[in-house]
Amino acid sequence: SQQGEEDPQALSIQEGENATMNCSYKTSINNLQWYRQNSGRGLVHLILIRSNEREKHSGRLRVTLDTSKKSSSLLITASRAADTASYFCATDARTNAGKSTFGDGTTLTVKP
Amino acid sequence: DGGITQSPKYLFRKEGQNVTLSCEQNLNHDAMYWYRQDPGQGLRLIYYSQIVNDFQKGDIAEGYSVSREKKESFPLTVTSAQKNPTAFYLCASSISAGVFYEQYFGPGTRLTVT
Repeated sequence: SQQGEEDPQALSIQEGENATMNCSYKTSINNLQWYRQNSGRGLVHLILIRSNEREKHSGRLRVTLDTSKKSSSLLITASRAADTASYFCATDARTNAGKSTFGDGTTLTVKP
Repeated sequence: DGGITQSPKYLFRKEGQNVTLSCEQNLNHDAMYWYRQDPGQGLRLIYYSQIVNDFQKGDIAEGYSVSREKKESFPLTVTSAQKNPTAFYLCASSISAGVFYEQYFGPGTRLTVT
């Protein structure tokens, strides 16, 4: 199965609420990245966190990484209707440098 | 404008025909990638190239072929040997195939084979 697996598969919240998505992976990684995909479009890179980092912020995004649990979370604060999209985590396994493996994604719906 | 382009956006083919999907980038990136995405699923790597005239198979290379004759171009051919070719195909590039570089994605090509 995929190296990265997101949870939940789908998430529906009201505008202004926070959204949390989780990603679990199986093998040791060099880095973990989060991407966003609007329906029918290409992916857009959101944030990269290295294996020696524990937390990273970018605007309303906060990413954490727990290598002992092989998991990461993406928090979107004060969500907006425009945040409606699918969110994917991608990992670079130590044994496959430069080759990212994507999970199946979390579909986020933010209701106005 | 710098970016990565894919054409066409929609492509229709009859079963048994080969079809080539275009991917061009003007970002001066060394690495390029092809992914396949099925409905409700993530991306699966078909082929990737770290440098001109070199490419490696990804996780689902069977029934596909690529070439990398120019730095800016990485076309993907879906052959008649691909048993279930209908899917959304995404091309991406990155500065290098090293582990700390983000990938830039094109808008995708939706291929329908009937």
